[in-house]
Amino acid sequence: AAGVIQSPRHLIKEKRETATLKCYPIPRHDTVYWYQQGPGQDPQFLISFYEKMQSDKGSIPDRFSAQQFSDYHSELNMSSLELGDSALYFCASSLGLTNTEAFFGQGTRLTVV
Amino acid sequence: DAKTTQPPSMDCAEGRAANLPCNHSTISGNEYVYWYRQIHSQGPQYIIHGLKNNETNEMASLIITEDRKSSTLILPHATLRDTAVYYCIVRVGGSQGNLIFGKGTKLSVKP
Repeated sequence: AAGVIQSPRHLIKEKRETATLKCYPIPRHDTVYWYQQGPGQDPQFLISFYEKMQSDKGSIPDRFSAQQFSDYHSELNMSSLELGDSALYFCASSLGLTNTEAFFGQGTRLTVV
Repeated sequence: DAKTTQPPSMDCAEGRAANLPCNHSTISGNEYVYWYRQIHSQGPQYIIHGLKNNETNEMASLIITEDRKSSTLILPHATLRDTAVYYCIVRVGGSQGNLIFGKGTKLSVKP
């Protein structure tokens, strides 16, 4: 079965650069979630989208923005990168009805040097 | 979203049942209990979820107390591949409720 696809899997950027992470949800899923997981930490919710509209916002820095496109894929844009942004970034998708399970991608490992 | 409390770590012998407890004493009537696990920096994996009835699937069973203030995830025959961090999450219903991860339980399955 098709899963959530994230690209790239690994990304190395320098401080103050920008990065764009992409997430392709499971076909027919209309809800996308983004999470950040620092080294040794638990996943932290950043932002979510339902039917191309932002549905909730967590601890996402102002330097980050995200959107969901008409084909339901989503992109997380990160600017003015800092060393502390080095982390695993996970995307999850679900069918946006009540209480259906969300499925996670394998993540993008961002390293800021 | 209600907060959850889980033991930081547990051990289990291979082939035995692993029982992972979770307290969620402030859970609301419209909040479901979800369990996910994360194996060594892979994406979190969905295990099971429920509202108030016990649930079972091919991976695990979920036992929710009658007052819904706590639950137990049961892996009936743990294998070494079940070694992971297990997260118990309560998720609001009636909307696209988000999964807010707390501090999970590191389960170590030993031979």
